[in-house]
Amino acid sequence: DAKTTQPTSMDCAEGRAANLPCNHSTISGNEYVYWYRQIHSQGPQYIIHGLKNNETNEMASLIITEDRKSSTLILPHATLRDTAVYYCIVRVALPPSANNLFFGTGTRLTVIP
Amino acid sequence: EPEVTQTPSHQVTQMGQEVILRCVPISNHLYFYWYRQILGQKVEFLVSFYNNEISEKSEIFDDQFSVERPDGSNFTLKIRSTKLEDSAMYFCASSGDITDTQYFGPGTRLTVL
Repeated sequence: DAKTTQPTSMDCAEGRAANLPCNHSTISGNEYVYWYRQIHSQGPQYIIHGLKNNETNEMASLIITEDRKSSTLILPHATLRDTAVYYCIVRVALPPSANNLFFGTGTRLTVIP
Repeated sequence: EPEVTQTPSHQVTQMGQEVILRCVPISNHLYFYWYRQILGQKVEFLVSFYNNEISEKSEIFDDQFSVERPDGSNFTLKIRSTKLEDSAMYFCASSGDITDTQYFGPGTRLTVL
């Protein structure tokens, strides 16, 4: 089962930053935090991942607390196209357990015009 | 940008019939996966495949399911005798290495009547 806790839903005004929290209090030292999103019933789309340090790419920023027990995905300027279900996934980085991803129920983000 | 592709986008079949879902992973990737998502439910891992062998499978992946890499580009999921409860979105994913990010295809919607 997924080892993360996320709010069921969130709203964000278009153009504002969307901050999506995730709790992973039982994370261990060899586990990464991954974020994916799913728009309607499309395939999950990879967003970003990190181990300890904060990460940024063209889509988002990932802020991981120093104790690694929680993280926040930040979409800096949300658009209507960012409306989706966002999944925070903890994934072991070592084989063979690195194989599968456990998806929880995620956070349904609605961007409001 | 390389992407995972899947065909068909929608497959309708009668209960008891065999279906084959097709995927073309990203060309230099070595690990391949199938996931499924029943309408309104979580994305669930089915199987992972590497070097022409199943490396991990879930409880869902019973004897009715099989996977194959018939040539250098395709990766298939076969369901031998479909049941009503097999109706779902089926997603293929691939990664370069076992610990690398998994990239998902757009999915095949399977409807069993």
